[in-house]
Amino acid sequence: EAGVAQSPRYKIIEKRQSVAFWCNPISGHATLYWYQQILGQGPKLLIQFQNNGVVDDSQLPKDRFSAERLKGVDSTLKIQPAKLEDSAVYLCASSLGRGFGEQYFGPGTRLTVT
Amino acid sequence: GENVEQHPSTLSVQEGDSAVIKCTYSDSASNYFPWYKQELGKRPQLIIDIRSNVGEKKDQRIAVTLNKTAKHFSLHITETQPEDSAVYFCAASQPRDMRFGAGTRLTVKP
Repeated sequence: EAGVAQSPRYKIIEKRQSVAFWCNPISGHATLYWYQQILGQGPKLLIQFQNNGVVDDSQLPKDRFSAERLKGVDSTLKIQPAKLEDSAVYLCASSLGRGFGEQYFGPGTRLTVT
Repeated sequence: GENVEQHPSTLSVQEGDSAVIKCTYSDSASNYFPWYKQELGKRPQLIIDIRSNVGEKKDQRIAVTLNKTAKHFSLHITETQPEDSAVYFCAASQPRDMRFGAGTRLTVKP
């Protein structure tokens, strides 16, 4: 089966610019997650979707981050405007059912904000 | 919210020895505890998981134990091999939230 796809793989932007990341989960997976992984730390959950509805976004900095999952399939995560501390790898993951079960991670997008 | 602490942050063992990584969590509502292995520059890969109604689970050289009363769980790797070298993350989750530990960098020396 095809894995979780993410693009772009790398992105370098200047602070105050905008950036968007795209994720396509494994076919049939209802739940989609976005994580932020800062170098040397564990992944931090930003937002969880169940189909096209938001289950939890309590750790999403909503003043600058937004995410959507139209039609309950692929998803985009946007940062506007970016700050230096947003430099991280943004990981998308998906799982088959509701709640947390075996998650499959995508390759991630490495964002560098200069 | 949930808080997960992981120890040690680095661990070096000789090939063939055992390695143990420990995590504690704070929220008694957490009911799913996965462990992920992440090699340098790669995505996290699930290696084993345990649910709160089970005390221990084994898969070949890997085992996880869970003590719900004490709110801690551990990863045990036996007969370590150089290819086990990676960063290992524990996590604790409820249906709406998952929190990861800070990671343990395991080095297996040949």
